[in-house]
Amino acid sequence: EPEVTQTPSHQVTQMGQEVILRCVPISNHLYFYWYRQILGQKVEFLVSFYNNEISEKSEIFDDQFSVERPDGSNFTLKIRSTKLEDSAMYFCASSRAQGTDYGYTFGSGTRLTVV
Amino acid sequence: AQSVTQLDSHVSVSEGTPVLLRCNYSSSYSPSLFWYVQHPNKGLQLLLKYTSAATLVKGINGFEAEFKKSETSFHLTKPSAHMSDAAEYFCVVSGFSGGYNKLIFGAGTRLAVHP
Repeated sequence: EPEVTQTPSHQVTQMGQEVILRCVPISNHLYFYWYRQILGQKVEFLVSFYNNEISEKSEIFDDQFSVERPDGSNFTLKIRSTKLEDSAMYFCASSRAQGTDYGYTFGSGTRLTVV
Repeated sequence: AQSVTQLDSHVSVSEGTPVLLRCNYSSSYSPSLFWYVQHPNKGLQLLLKYTSAATLVKGINGFEAEFKKSETSFHLTKPSAHMSDAAEYFCVVSGFSGGYNKLIFGAGTRLAVHP
């Protein structure tokens, strides 16, 4: 069964450093998403991406965050200057089409720890 | 606005006994509802989804859920728990904002299964 692959599984970074979280969505999927889960809190929507541009973003997704699909395969989330409160599990997801009837496939997540 | 409340943060059952994980939702229109499961170090896996078809939805691994509009509930059940069912379960409602769908997660219920 096709999978969404996320790398790395764990990332430790110093406060103020830039990090890039990588995702390889399912090959025939067109919509891409990032969600995050701070320890002990709910899974939260960050951003959705379609046709090489952001289609929606949450209030969490401020100027320190950016997404791109640099090579038509990878889908990355960059955090420019990490803060302690960015420590969380970050999930990538993809879907074949817009709309919940098509379902989302999630990756296994990247656990980011900012020290 | 859409929201979802999982009524139990932890549920513990004995192997072979029934499982009930409770979920209530709030939605201003007819919602799409999902249950996802997360095993340790794994991604979020879709168990089942309700998208305004049959109110009793059957999913993978013997799980099912019933959509009850009058009670705004979407409880997850399984007749007989297996050890492998031990995991975190998320009730999710689809939110519609600005023309795009996003998933709104409950806080999760951790299911423990004892021999």
